[in-house]
Amino acid sequence: EIVLTQSPATLSLSPGDAATLSCRASQSVGTHLAWYQQRPGQAPRLLIYDSSNRATGIPVRFRGSGSGTDFTLTISSLEPEDFAVYHCQQRSSWPPRYSFGPGTKLEIK
Amino acid sequence: QVQVQESGPGLVKPSETLSLTCTVSGDSISRYYWSWIRQAPGKRLEWIGYLFFTGTTNFDPSFKRRVTMSADTSKNQISLNVTSVNDADTAVYYCAGTYSYGRPGSAFESWGQGILVTVSS
Repeated sequence: EIVLTQSPATLSLSPGDAATLSCRASQSVGTHLAWYQQRPGQAPRLLIYDSSNRATGIPVRFRGSGSGTDFTLTISSLEPEDFAVYHCQQRSSWPPRYSFGPGTKLEIK
Repeated sequence: QVQVQESGPGLVKPSETLSLTCTVSGDSISRYYWSWIRQAPGKRLEWIGYLFFTGTTNFDPSFKRRVTMSADTSKNQISLNVTSVNDADTAVYYCAGTYSYGRPGSAFESWGQGILVTVSS
C-alpha cells in the first residue's frame, strides 16, 4: 500500500503570495500523481494530473512538478478563490489502486 | 461536459446495507472507469473501488469483502452497495470518473457533488 504524506498541514499566506505545497509517497509512483482543490462543501476538483499536466480550464498559475516519491504544487500568485484544501493522489501501476494524502489547508493570513 | 449525481438514503442503520446510485449525463458511462470515493469527517479521501461498464471491478482490499458495484448502461448509472455498515462508514460518498484509455486513468476528472451518508440507529 502506498501512503502519501503532505506538508505543511496548514499554510497561511496572503493574496498575491506564492504557495508551495509538498506531497511525498512511501514508494515510487513514477509520475502518476494528481492534485485536487477542495473548497468547503464542494467536491474535489482536478488541477494537475500525471505530476505536471494541468487539467482542462485550470489557470497557468498552478504548476505541478516531481517524480518518484517527491512532488510539489506551486501556485504562483494567490487569488482569493485559491484558499482551500489541496489533496494529492496517486495511482499504483498494477493492480491499479488509488490513495490520497491527508490534505494541506491553504488559509488567508 | 460530463455531469455526475449521487443519490440514495442519507441515513442507514448499523449492520444494514448502504446503497447508492450515480447517474451520469453528458457522456456514456462506457468511456470511463467509475470509482466510489468517500470522506469521513476529519479524514482523508478514501478510494473504495472502481467499475468498468463491462463489469470489471477492482476494490481496495479493505473494502473487498463488503462492497459490490454494478452498471446499468441503459440508464447510464453506476451503483454501490456496502454491506454490514457501522459508524465508521459515516462519510460523504463521491462518484468519480477517470477516462478510459484502455485502462484506468491516473486521476479523477469528473466528480459528483457527493452525498452524506450517516450510519445511525
